[in-house]
Amino acid sequence: AQKVTQVQTEISVVEKEDVTLDCVYETRDTTYYLFWYKQPPSGELVFLIRRNSFDEQNEISGRYSWNFQKSTSSFNFTITASQVVDSAVYFCALYTGGFKTIFGAGTRLFVKA
Amino acid sequence: NAGVTQTPKFQVLKTGQSMTLQCAQDMNHNSMYWYRQDPGMGLRLIYYSASEGTTDKGEVPNGYNVSRLNKREFSLRLESAAPSQTSVYFCASIMTGDSGNTIYFGEGSWLTVV
Repeated sequence: AQKVTQVQTEISVVEKEDVTLDCVYETRDTTYYLFWYKQPPSGELVFLIRRNSFDEQNEISGRYSWNFQKSTSSFNFTITASQVVDSAVYFCALYTGGFKTIFGAGTRLFVKA
Repeated sequence: NAGVTQTPKFQVLKTGQSMTLQCAQDMNHNSMYWYRQDPGMGLRLIYYSASEGTTDKGEVPNGYNVSRLNKREFSLRLESAAPSQTSVYFCASIMTGDSGNTIYFGEGSWLTVV
């Protein structure tokens, strides 16, 4: 079975705090892709990052960083020095082939000024 | 660069009315999808089109029809709207191949059926 579990349903932080959103996935496939998407209060869904199963290098993009660990089947997302504009629902997703992408239930992040 | 454009953004329908959600992408992708997003249900795939001229049912196709008019456009039609179809609808264009299935979403269409 394929599954994506986003550990936290909601997280609330104060601006400038670092915050990590945890994503744990399940699949028996050896080739797969992992994604993070952001859904701000305005409602659109924005692609943030893609990782394939053969690339365990961590990635940093500005204040965002992603930690992919196959040993623990996790693909965690960290925001450094959070800002109010980071407030959104973040979705982790898994793709193993075909037409279906499995989305997690989302983590709602509140960043308070 | 528009990406994925869908219209209308907001619509209120009466039960039994019909409407079409329009979607167009300018990324030259072969695959396009329609999702609905409901509280507690996450994103569910309604229909998808792997390439121009083909369409297939996703997880929740009942009550919907689609048309892949050309490579750019993929429309979703509600023939006889029901309150259960109140939802947020997302059209998506898919980058396939070595990128896995990277989904680029439109801005969403908020549909209320009363």
